Amino acid sequence: GENVEQHPSTLSVQEGDSAVIKCTYSDSASNYFPWYKQELGKRPQLIIDIRSNVGEKKDQRIAVTLNKTAKHFSLHITETQPEDSAVYFCAASKITGGYNKLIFGAGTRLAVHP
Amino acid sequence: SQTIHQWPATLVQPVGSPLSLECTVEGTSNPNLYWYRQAAGRGLQLLFYSVGIGQISSEVPQNLSASRPQDRQFILSSKKLLLSDSGFYLCAWSGQGYEQYFGPGTRLTVT
Repeated sequence: GENVEQHPSTLSVQEGDSAVIKCTYSDSASNYFPWYKQELGKRPQLIIDIRSNVGEKKDQRIAVTLNKTAKHFSLHITETQPEDSAVYFCAASKITGGYNKLIFGAGTRLAVHP
Repeated sequence: SQTIHQWPATLVQPVGSPLSLECTVEGTSNPNLYWYRQAAGRGLQLLFYSVGIGQISSEVPQNLSASRPQDRQFILSSKKLLLSDSGFYLCAWSGQGYEQYFGPGTRLTVT
């Protein structure tokens, strides 16, 4: 079955620096790749996603890139702020039978230090 | 706009007791519904998903079951809880698009 690996497991940056989190997936038929941000004790929040027909997507300080050939995708956060501190999860899926079965990475704990 | 509710928010139950967690969605029809479990400090594990009333698919063999008695209601149950059932249970929904949105979750502690 599909497997998603996420690196690094922890990431510490200074405020204003950039942060990059990388994920690889195993199923070449996967066509949807969301990123979620989870603050302590809260629900995961969808922050950005990308579909397989797009190579890059940007939303203000965050961007996601997708390399279908290499089967990996990355989250880029620029000008990091302390409120970016959270656990970030990547996921991959292929739409099958009308539902969206997400396979999640293990998560990256990002700490942004003032 | 769509809203997803879960209750209870927290629950402490003894080993061997039954469990019932409820999830409801407002503002949409015929959503796909999902139950996930998150162990402390870990990732998200898909437990069940449903594409319609009475249609339940299980992802992993376990001590839990799910039901969907109404279009926008999804219930997670157990007859006898185990210590290993402790965790953060999250319900999620998706519509016609790809996006999946999570509810606020239920934190379950089995003692």
